Amino acid sequence: KNQVEQSPQSLIILEGKNCTLQCNYTVSPFSNLRWYKQDTGRGPVSLTIMTFSENTKSNGRYTATLDADTKQSSLHITASQLSDSASYICVVSRRAGNMLTFGGGTRLMVKP
Amino acid sequence: EPEVTQTPSHQVTQMGQEVILRCVPISNHLYFYWYRQILGQKVEFLVSFYNNEISEKSEIFDDQFSVERPDGSNFTLKIRSTKLEDSAMYFCASSEGSGGANEQFFGPGTRLTVL
Repeated sequence: KNQVEQSPQSLIILEGKNCTLQCNYTVSPFSNLRWYKQDTGRGPVSLTIMTFSENTKSNGRYTATLDADTKQSSLHITASQLSDSASYICVVSRRAGNMLTFGGGTRLMVKP
Repeated sequence: EPEVTQTPSHQVTQMGQEVILRCVPISNHLYFYWYRQILGQKVEFLVSFYNNEISEKSEIFDDQFSVERPDGSNFTLKIRSTKLEDSAMYFCASSEGSGGANEQFFGPGTRLTVL
């Protein structure tokens, strides 16, 4: 079954600290992996998109990695800010079709 | 910057009633989607739509659901006879192209509450 699992479910860090969120997937055949940020009550906003051949991609303080062999990805947030408090969702798409498979998200809270 | 818009932001309805959720995708996008997120759960794919046809749908998208692009700008999701379990956030999304690394842009969502 096509699934996306994320860890941890929730995380609290102090402002200015770094953190790393994990994603494992079984979606096949793999097309690409995306990380989205979702504020409470809002739609997801794309942070990064990586295809099979990409190992890492950065977007400002966000750096995503992908290991297509082990089917794992991580999202590293550097120098966290209060506005980073949100859910971070790993999303994988298959090669055929447009359906996205969402992980359950990691709820990040950044405290002052 | 262009964005996907959705109306209403919150819809309250009685069980058994019909509801229509509306979306205006980004103007040059050709592919449209509906997703739902039950409170505390994962976002789930419902349906994708291209060239006035459903291109893909999930098991959730049964005969109670339908989608339509009634004019050149709106994309709607209709639930014919709502059930309590239809209460969720419904997100519309659109993309320029299909598959690959085509980014799907999401709207802010409509919160549907079925009483």
